[in-house]
Amino acid sequence: SYVLTQPPSVSVAPGKTARITCGGNNIGSKSVHWYQQKPGQAPVLVIYYDSDRPSGIPERFSGSNSGNTATLTISRVEAGDEADYYCQVWDSSSNGGVFGGGTKLTVL
Amino acid sequence: EVQLVESGGGLVQPGGSLRLSCAASGFTFSSYWMSWVRQAPGKGLEWVANIKQDGSEKYYVDSVKGRFTISRDNAKNSLYLQMNSLRAEDTAVYYCASSRDSTFDYWGQGTLVTVSS
Repeated sequence: SYVLTQPPSVSVAPGKTARITCGGNNIGSKSVHWYQQKPGQAPVLVIYYDSDRPSGIPERFSGSNSGNTATLTISRVEAGDEADYYCQVWDSSSNGGVFGGGTKLTVL
Repeated sequence: EVQLVESGGGLVQPGGSLRLSCAASGFTFSSYWMSWVRQAPGKGLEWVANIKQDGSEKYYVDSVKGRFTISRDNAKNSLYLQMNSLRAEDTAVYYCASSRDSTFDYWGQGTLVTVSS
């Protein structure tokens, strides 16, 4: 089955830019979605189809996808952005979703 | 406002059964694929199963095939997960999620299933 690889943790100072990567074999040929999960809460979709934002998600959140790496970028990071972030693609062989292992974003 | 409310979780012994329910509101339930996604304590997200709008197609992660059954009742705007032959490794929070194209766009708050003797 398809494997997505994320760094376990990323740290960033407030006001700076955080970049969270998601690696996969030729992931650039797939649509990548990103979810934010705060402690004790359900995941929330923050980026879909590589770079689109659902309504209500700040413009500070953006995404890109090329080659073997997809990236979630959070500009002007705020304390409230501290959360776990998961990338996800669709696996046509299983007709189901595949998630990366998740990245804990720490705001210093 | 979209709402997904799971219920039915609890403590069950290994080998036991449990049926989870998810009540949907705020959107046209019958127009969406629906999914179950789980999260073991302190771990990441894992897709478990999904079902087509009319229930004609169902798919499962390998680890639950033959043990779990996903179903839906569009008249009641409800999604279900029948879990049999439960194992310790099935312990997790189970989320109900609506699926649009290849995303999970709305999630419930989850229900905790604990498999332990």
